[in-house]
Amino acid sequence: AQRVTQPEKLLSVFKGAPVELKCNYSYSGSPELFWYVQYSRQRLQLLLRHISRESIKGFTADLNKGETSFHLKKPFAQEEDSAMYYCALTPSGSRLTFGEGTQLTVNP
Amino acid sequence: GAVVSQHPSWVICKSGTSVKIECRSLDFQATTMFWYRQFPKQSLMLMATSNEGSKATYEQGVEKDKFLINHASLTLSTLTVTSAHPEDSSFYICSAGGIWSYNEQFFGPGTRLTVL
Repeated sequence: AQRVTQPEKLLSVFKGAPVELKCNYSYSGSPELFWYVQYSRQRLQLLLRHISRESIKGFTADLNKGETSFHLKKPFAQEEDSAMYYCALTPSGSRLTFGEGTQLTVNP
Repeated sequence: GAVVSQHPSWVICKSGTSVKIECRSLDFQATTMFWYRQFPKQSLMLMATSNEGSKATYEQGVEKDKFLINHASLTLSTLTVTSAHPEDSSFYICSAGGIWSYNEQFFGPGTRLTVL
């Protein structure tokens, strides 16, 4: 069975500082990995996925199969980045398994 | 992007009653929808996969007789919590997605259920 682990429930940084939200997964095959974000009072939405290899809102995430990690990074955090971030995995393109989420707070 | 709505956004009911939650895809046809449950300050737990025109696939530990899912059309899936109890109080979220969306799931805003 697949599993997603986000070791930090809370993460607080100052504006302009780099930020890294950790995500580790366990799955025997080749999963597809996502980062979803939930801003205050809004619904969950996709931030980025590993197959796109793109930067969204300054965030990037690289899949490291050796370490089974998919950490989310941004070099300079902004206050508007404050939100709940979920790492998620799908083995076959349907069911999503979510990590427990990391609440990011960017302080002014 | 694709839009998913849920109705109601919140509901309060008495213990023992049944509650129906609707999930609609507004601008696309969803052959597959997903139902999640989220407890306060916790992650989303997949309850079931709802397939249009066929029976839902429930995750292990989810009582299918308690959480009835119907996906009668390509734009509507419903979750009925039968004989609700206080422990069923939670935030219920639906989503839609699949190969057509390159596996991205589009989420509804959620329904807050409180059982008294």
